[in-house]
Amino acid sequence: GAGVSQSPSNKVTEKGKDVELRCDPISGHTALYWYRQSLGQGLEFLIYFQGNSAPDKSGLPSDRFSAERTGGSVSTLTIQRTQQEDSAVYLCASSQVGTNTEAFFGQGTRLTVV
Amino acid sequence: ELKVEQNPLFLSMQEGKNYTIYCNYSTTSDRLYWYRQDPGKSLESLFVLLSNGAVKQEGRLMASLDTKARLSTLHITAAVHDLSATYFCAVDNYGGSQGNLIFGKGTKLSVKP
Repeated sequence: GAGVSQSPSNKVTEKGKDVELRCDPISGHTALYWYRQSLGQGLEFLIYFQGNSAPDKSGLPSDRFSAERTGGSVSTLTIQRTQQEDSAVYLCASSQVGTNTEAFFGQGTRLTVV
Repeated sequence: ELKVEQNPLFLSMQEGKNYTIYCNYSTTSDRLYWYRQDPGKSLESLFVLLSNGAVKQEGRLMASLDTKARLSTLHITAAVHDLSATYFCAVDNYGGSQGNLIFGKGTKLSVKP
């Protein structure tokens, strides 16, 4: 597609349920990022993929969070046993590797845990 | 570890005034990016600065990069209400463990009549 696509755009879930968020990066972009943004706050880095590998998972807030990327393309962020403090907008971005590493963002998934 | 600091974090301006947002970073890099975020929206790329001394202008916004000072500025000329948004800078970390881009905390700009 032309841009970074995230789905769903909105998700309301009950506390304790698992959720999966999906990111489709721009074709050919080898770098992929997940960020979390709570209301009125800055970007909280979660995880970065170069290809299918994530060099550093320490940005994930707890072991309830996991992410994977397959085929160097689509990535899923999974949150198990969701808590109310997980409510936020989850943003995905992708970029090329090279001289210009400008990242392009998806529209985000707004997660509400009730 | 690369750190990126923006200031101010909050900026309230009157229409017609000029102001500058600063982005300082802690280690050598010569690639810097500015983004804009409107409330409830995602981040939109504004400027790509890829070398020392780079200057880019778009409308009332001008961005520059001084890699020796490890500083980028985003200058606002004769502000208008439409510029109200949060502005983020991001610095290339050259493939560090957190990826290529490290973001500042953002500057929330409010332009009042």
